Amino acid sequence: EDKVVQSPLSLVVHEGDTVTLNCSYEVTNFRSLLWYKQEKKAPTFLFMLTSSGIEKKSGRLSSILDKKELFSILNITATQTGDSAVYLCAGGGLYNQGGKLIFGQGTELSVKP
Amino acid sequence: DVKVTQSSRYLVKRTGEKVFLECVQDMDHENMFWYRQDPGLGLRLIYFSYDVKMKEKGDIPEGYSVSREKKERFSLILESASTNQTSMYLCASSQPRTGNTEAFFGQGTRLTVV
Repeated sequence: EDKVVQSPLSLVVHEGDTVTLNCSYEVTNFRSLLWYKQEKKAPTFLFMLTSSGIEKKSGRLSSILDKKELFSILNITATQTGDSAVYLCAGGGLYNQGGKLIFGQGTELSVKP
Repeated sequence: DVKVTQSSRYLVKRTGEKVFLECVQDMDHENMFWYRQDPGLGLRLIYFSYDVKMKEKGDIPEGYSVSREKKERFSLILESASTNQTSMYLCASSQPRTGNTEAFFGQGTRLTVV
């Protein structure tokens, strides 16, 4: 059975801290690993990773994929209160399986001033 | 920009009612999905569709059905609503033919069954 597991489930930090969010996956015919940020609305796309060892970066956020160990991490440096959200990780299968995404439980990040 | 629109932001229905949740996307995407989101459980896939009139069960299809008569529209149907179907429902679409499995989400429908 396909599954995606995120850790920790929740995290409280102070502004300026660096955080690392973890995502492990078991997805049949794995194709891609996606990260989303969800505030009190629909998830918004952050990164899609398909190759091992290649870091994707956007401002203070970065992510990397390890296809051998079947995990990904999302790093946020110099956190701000606006980073408070639920971060979702999802594994995507091959196109011929419909390209469905399997999501983890999410990590709820709270950044205190 | 891709737009995925769900017909209602909030719904309150009575136990036993038949409930229709509508989702429309405007980017000619082949794939469409229905998820429900509950605290501590993340997003769980109910049904998905990779073509008109095609549907596949996700992880939790019991108590739900879907309809995709047109490419842009994917409907989720609760045949007889129950209180354990109170949840946030999210529709999404994607176009994996482009090599990109990124899914675009609608704003969500928060359904309460009383």
